[in-house]
Amino acid sequence: EDQVTQSPEALRLQEGESSSLNCSYTVSGLRGLFWYRQDPGKGPEFLFTLYSAGEEKEKERLKATLTKKESFLHITAPKPEDSATYLCAVQAFTGGTSYGKLTFGQGTILTVHP
Amino acid sequence: GAVVSQHPSRVICKSGTSVKIECRSLDFQATTMFWYRQFPKQSLMLMATSNEGSKATYEQGVEKDKFLINHASLTLSTLTVTSAHPEDSSFYICSADLAGTETQYFGPGTRLLVL
Repeated sequence: EDQVTQSPEALRLQEGESSSLNCSYTVSGLRGLFWYRQDPGKGPEFLFTLYSAGEEKEKERLKATLTKKESFLHITAPKPEDSATYLCAVQAFTGGTSYGKLTFGQGTILTVHP
Repeated sequence: GAVVSQHPSRVICKSGTSVKIECRSLDFQATTMFWYRQFPKQSLMLMATSNEGSKATYEQGVEKDKFLINHASLTLSTLTVTSAHPEDSSFYICSADLAGTETQYFGPGTRLLVL
């Protein structure tokens, strides 16, 4: 069974204080690892997809990295508007094809204080 | 691009009634759509996978006769909660798979409250 564990559960930062969120996973065969941002009362917003170990992607103050066991979401000089829940999800291969099922972690609640 | 809408955004109903939630991909065609449920301060739990023109695939523990899913076109999937009860109150979110990207784009969610 695919499993995703995110840490920490909650993270409080001061504006400008860089940090990282962790996503550890176990999956039979990784097709893709996804990062989403979710604001309260809204659906998740897509951030990144990572496919293979060593891959990195960046978007504004966010940078996602991937190893064979975990992914990190690095936040550089965060601003209050970066406050949200960050969700990690994995998609596994199924017999050479994938019907797209995502397994989500519990999320990390990030709060950035001005 | 890759915008998904849901309607309604919020619904309150009496116990025993049925509620229909629509999920639309506005600027792309989605062969596959997904329905999730999210309880307060918890992550998303997949309920079912919906493929255009075929029966939905339900996750273990999800009652297919209670949560009816129809994927009538490449841009529309509906979830009907039949004979709703207070324990069905939750945040329901749909997503659509953008072909060629393996990426799911999510709708804004529907808050259901059953009294």
